[in-house]
Amino acid sequence: GAGVSQSPSNKVTEKGKDVELRCDPISGHTALYWYRQRLGQGLEFLIYFQGNSAPDKSGLPSDRFSAERTGESVSTLTIQRTQQEDSAVYLCASSLGGQSNQPQHFGDGTRLSIL
Amino acid sequence: DAKTTQPPSMDCAEGRAANLPCNHSTISGNEYVYWYRQIHSQGPQYIIHGLKNNETNEMASLIITEDRKSSTLILPHATLRDTAVYYCIVRAPNFGNEKLTFGTGTRLTIIP
Repeated sequence: GAGVSQSPSNKVTEKGKDVELRCDPISGHTALYWYRQRLGQGLEFLIYFQGNSAPDKSGLPSDRFSAERTGESVSTLTIQRTQQEDSAVYLCASSLGGQSNQPQHFGDGTRLSIL
Repeated sequence: DAKTTQPPSMDCAEGRAANLPCNHSTISGNEYVYWYRQIHSQGPQYIIHGLKNNETNEMASLIITEDRKSSTLILPHATLRDTAVYYCIVRAPNFGNEKLTFGTGTRLTIIP
C-alpha cells in the first residue's frame, strides 16, 4: 500500500526565501510527526499532530518555523526567511495513533539546501 | 524513555543471519522495544517492535530476554540491501512524549 509521501524530494533555495514542505501521511493515520536530520546526525523532533491539533510543538527551533495539518491528512511545514543552518533533510512520519505500541512510518524526506 | 546501548558497527556475511544486540537495562515494564533502520539517503524504516514476547515478521525476528534488559534483532538471511544503520529504541506510553529519539545505532555492513 501507499506509504508516507513527501514533496518536493529536493529543494534548493536562497537564504531569506520562504519554503513550504508537504507531507501526505498513510491514509487513516491520525498521528503525524515532523523531524529534522542534519548531515551525519540523528533525528531532531519538531512537531507532533494528533488529528489537526498540535499538542507538542516543543521542537520547533524558532518562530520562523510553523506547521499545519488539515482534514486530518496533509501537513505542511513552512520555514520563513530561511537561513543556512536550516539546511537538512526534513522527515515526516505517521502512525495509526499516538500510542507507544503504534509504529511510526517515515517518508523519504525533503532534502533542503539553503544557498 | 530508557537509554539503549548498541555496538557502533558490525559486519555479516551475505546469506548468514545477522544478530544485532541492544542493551536497555533501565527499561520500564510498560516500555516497548522498537527497531528501525536507515539506509543512506532514505527515511528510517520500521522493522519490528515488542513488549515482552519474542516477535517475528516478514523482515526480522526480535528476541527479548526474560528480564527485558536486552534484546536481539535477527535478520535471518542477510542480503547486501540490508546494509544500513540499525536503531534500537525504547518507547514509553506517555501522551505528550510521542517523539522517537534515535541514538547512534549500529552500522551493519553485509559482506559479499
